[in-house]
Amino acid sequence: EAGVAQSPRYKIIEKRQSVAFWCNPISGHATLYWYQQILGQGPKLLIQFQNNGVVDDSQLPKDRFSAERLKGVDSTLKIQPAKLEDSAVYLCASSVGTLTYEQYFGPGTRLTVT
Amino acid sequence: AQSVTQLGSHVSVSEGALVLLRCNYSSSVPPYLFWYVQYPNQGLQLLLKYTSAATLVKGINGFEAEFKKSETSFHLTKPSAHMSDAAEYFCAVSEDSGTYKYIFGTGTRLKVLA
Repeated sequence: EAGVAQSPRYKIIEKRQSVAFWCNPISGHATLYWYQQILGQGPKLLIQFQNNGVVDDSQLPKDRFSAERLKGVDSTLKIQPAKLEDSAVYLCASSVGTLTYEQYFGPGTRLTVT
Repeated sequence: AQSVTQLGSHVSVSEGALVLLRCNYSSSVPPYLFWYVQYPNQGLQLLLKYTSAATLVKGINGFEAEFKKSETSFHLTKPSAHMSDAAEYFCAVSEDSGTYKYIFGTGTRLKVLA
C-alpha cells in the first residue's frame, strides 16, 4: 500500500514570496490533515479536512495560509506572503476517518524562509 | 483543554539498557493516547495507541506503554535499547470530541550509546 506522498521535500524561498505544498493521501482515506512542525517542537495541526470539507482550521493563520482539497483526494497548502517564522516542516497526514484515530504521515516538506 | 507534557527533551541510554520516555496528559474526558517515532528527515510512524481497551499496550519494535488514569500518564518503555531506536519520540492525545484532532507533546530525542 502506497503511503502519504508529499512534494516538494525541500523548499527555500525569500520572505514575502509565496509557496505551495502538495499532498496525496493514502487511497480511500477520507480525512486529511496538515501540520506545522517547528524545529524542537511537536507537530501543530493547521487544518483538517473530511472529504473536501473543512472540519477544523482554528490554528490556520488565514491572513497568509490557505488550503484546499479538491474532489476529496489531493490537497494543497499555500503560504502567501511567507514570513521568517514560517520556516518549519509541513507534514501531511491521512486517516480512514475520524473514528479510526490512527493517522498516517507523509515525509514532510522542509521550508526555509530567508 | 487537552495538553501533553513530555518530561526530558533529550534522553540517553546505553545499548541494552531500559528505555523509559515519559508522557503526562491533561484531558477532560477519557482520552485516546498515541506514541509516534520520527527518524531524521522522515514523517511520523505510529508505535502504539491506547483507545480504552487494555491499559498495557504493546507496539512495534518491542515498545510498550501503560495507561495510568490515576497518574494521567502514558509512559513508553522498552526493556533493551538498540542502536536503531535512536530517534525522536512524540506522545499525542486525542479526545472523542468530534474532530478527534491530535495534540502532540514537544518530543523526546533518544540517544543510544554503544
